[in-house]
Amino acid sequence: GQNIDQPTEMTATEGAIVQINCTYQTSGFNGLFWYQQHAGEAPTFLSYNVLDGLEEKGRFSSFLSRSKGYSYLLLKELQMKDSASYLCAVMGGYNKLIFGAGTRLAVHP
Amino acid sequence: GAGVSQSPSNKVTEKGKDVELRCDPISGHTALYWYRQSLGQGLEFLIYFQGNSAPDKSGLPSDRFSAERTGGSVSTLTIQRTQQEDSAVYLCASTLGGAVNEQFFGPGTRLTVL
Repeated sequence: GQNIDQPTEMTATEGAIVQINCTYQTSGFNGLFWYQQHAGEAPTFLSYNVLDGLEEKGRFSSFLSRSKGYSYLLLKELQMKDSASYLCAVMGGYNKLIFGAGTRLAVHP
Repeated sequence: GAGVSQSPSNKVTEKGKDVELRCDPISGHTALYWYRQSLGQGLEFLIYFQGNSAPDKSGLPSDRFSAERTGGSVSTLTIQRTQQEDSAVYLCASTLGGAVNEQFFGPGTRLTVL
């Protein structure tokens, strides 16, 4: 079966750091994506990991451990506009992208 | 166009009616996906087209759902005899086929079945 787990909700303070975890069990693995989705909008791409380790892109970083079936998205210097849902998605066999349910992040002053 | 477009943006229909949702992918993108997102939920995979290969229909929830992709470009998702539980936002995404690439999402069609 295929299973992607991430926390349902998180809250954090403006200027702080937050880590959103994702664990997965899928048939086949061709990479892991993180997407951001603001309420009422389509998801937008944040990051892609296919090898173990940390990928850094500005205030956002994403980590992958394939042996543990684990990834996290790290958001630094949080801003109010970072309040959104963050979707973890795994590209399985045959390029089929499966999404987790998403983590709703609320950033407060 | 520059991005993925979907039409209509909103559709309200009565239970039992058929609906067609359209997706225009980015020109040159060979892979196209349909997802469904219920309020406050994650994205549920429905169907995946890659070039001329047979589509992966493993996510379609029932035989009332079908999709076509004509000429390797435009796709239509058809829901027959709609039910209230079909109410959701239907998202289309396209990507360059072959190697793993970022998906580009359309704005979605919000379907409401009364």
